[in-house]
Amino acid sequence: EAGVVQSPRYKIIEKKQPVAFWCNPISGHNTLYWYRQNLGQGPELLIRYENEEAVDDSQLPKDRFSAERLKGVDSTLKIQPAELGDSAVYLCASSLAGAVQETQYFGPGTRLLVL
Amino acid sequence: GQSLEQPSEVTAVEGAIVQINCTYQTSGFYGLSWYQQHDGGAPTFLSYNALDGLEETGRFSSFLSRSDSYGYLLLQELQMKDSASYFCAGFTGGGNKLTFGTGTQLKVEL
Repeated sequence: EAGVVQSPRYKIIEKKQPVAFWCNPISGHNTLYWYRQNLGQGPELLIRYENEEAVDDSQLPKDRFSAERLKGVDSTLKIQPAELGDSAVYLCASSLAGAVQETQYFGPGTRLLVL
Repeated sequence: GQSLEQPSEVTAVEGAIVQINCTYQTSGFYGLSWYQQHDGGAPTFLSYNALDGLEETGRFSSFLSRSDSYGYLLLQELQMKDSASYFCAGFTGGGNKLTFGTGTQLKVEL
């Protein structure tokens, strides 16, 4: 069974440029998460989707970050414009829907460097 | 707010046993998970404690004490491949939100 797929794996951009990350969750997993992981720290939740609905986006910096999951499968996270402080690893995870405390399965992440 | 504290670094020798502690201060706590992350890799699920006590999965065991707001991950028969970062993570916010700890970097030496 394929795991969570993310692309690109690495991205280098200049500040003020836009950037987008893509995630395809494990087949059958209706819950999708985007996390940001700064160097030496644990992942921090940005947004959680149940199917197409964003049910928790309280930690998403909405002035520059946006996300979508139009058909309830794959998802895109966008930053526009990027700032130096956005340099981090952006992780996507998925889990089965409908139950609390479900195990989350993570993708390899996209390493973003903003210059 | 939610916080889970771990030692930043632990060093042990191959074949030994090591314990990684996690203390937490959260409201609406539902249970504690542990994840392993190798450099440049994805966090990988190791174990989950919904109830107090010990859960054993092969060489790894995890313990939770809700009354002490404390848990630990126990790794036995350490191997070089166990060198990685280990994160405790608590389920909060109705049981759907996972808050990660500060992380512990484990170094296994010969």
